[in-house]
Amino acid sequence: NAGVTQTPKFRILKIGQSMTLQCTQDMNHNYMYWYRQDPGMGLKLIYYSVGAGITDKGEVPNGYNVSRSTTEDFPLRLELAAPSQTSVYFCASSPGQGSSETQYFGPGTRLLVL
Amino acid sequence: AQKVTQAQTEISVVEKEDVTLDCVYETRDTTYYLFWYKQPPSGELVFLIRRNSFDEQNEISGRYSWNFQKSTSSFNFTITASQVVDSAVYFCALSPSSGGSYIPTFGRGTSLIVHP
Repeated sequence: NAGVTQTPKFRILKIGQSMTLQCTQDMNHNYMYWYRQDPGMGLKLIYYSVGAGITDKGEVPNGYNVSRSTTEDFPLRLELAAPSQTSVYFCASSPGQGSSETQYFGPGTRLLVL
Repeated sequence: AQKVTQAQTEISVVEKEDVTLDCVYETRDTTYYLFWYKQPPSGELVFLIRRNSFDEQNEISGRYSWNFQKSTSSFNFTITASQVVDSAVYFCALSPSSGGSYIPTFGRGTSLIVHP
């Protein structure tokens, strides 16, 4: 049981490049989330999903896209990378009723946009 | 709108001291959940506790204890006899439990440094 896994661990992008951050969970959780953590700040929700085929915007969705074709996978897409997207990205999942349940976090992806 | 305030940006203590991390929240919901997470230097986020707004009992888990006071909208976290391994950033978070909103709110975190 690996929990929540994220790849890559670290990536450097040039301005305007695109990439996909991968997230997979093996706990059969319906709810999945993407957060970004900027230095000295808490976590900000980018997108979330309440089940396969269903996604919705969080607090800071601009510049990102998501899809949820399976229960296990919730990739985050950056289409035109900008320096403001330099951050640490965390994927999380939770069972049952969503955000009122305990969230299980992946190890994070550190992204640097230059 | 929800808000979580962790006014202490950084706390520095010497090992074996007791330390309290403050968390004050704002919400219009009558039912909600509060959480504490730990982020050690390695970077992962580790769940510590989840508390329903209807349950105001304090909780103790080993050296950790939590004081939930609805009257003052606070959910403070105390570490007794701190250890170097407690050095981490600690986040308080608030989530609605109804109304279809799934957006949790995190505080900015308190960095705890425990010196040997």
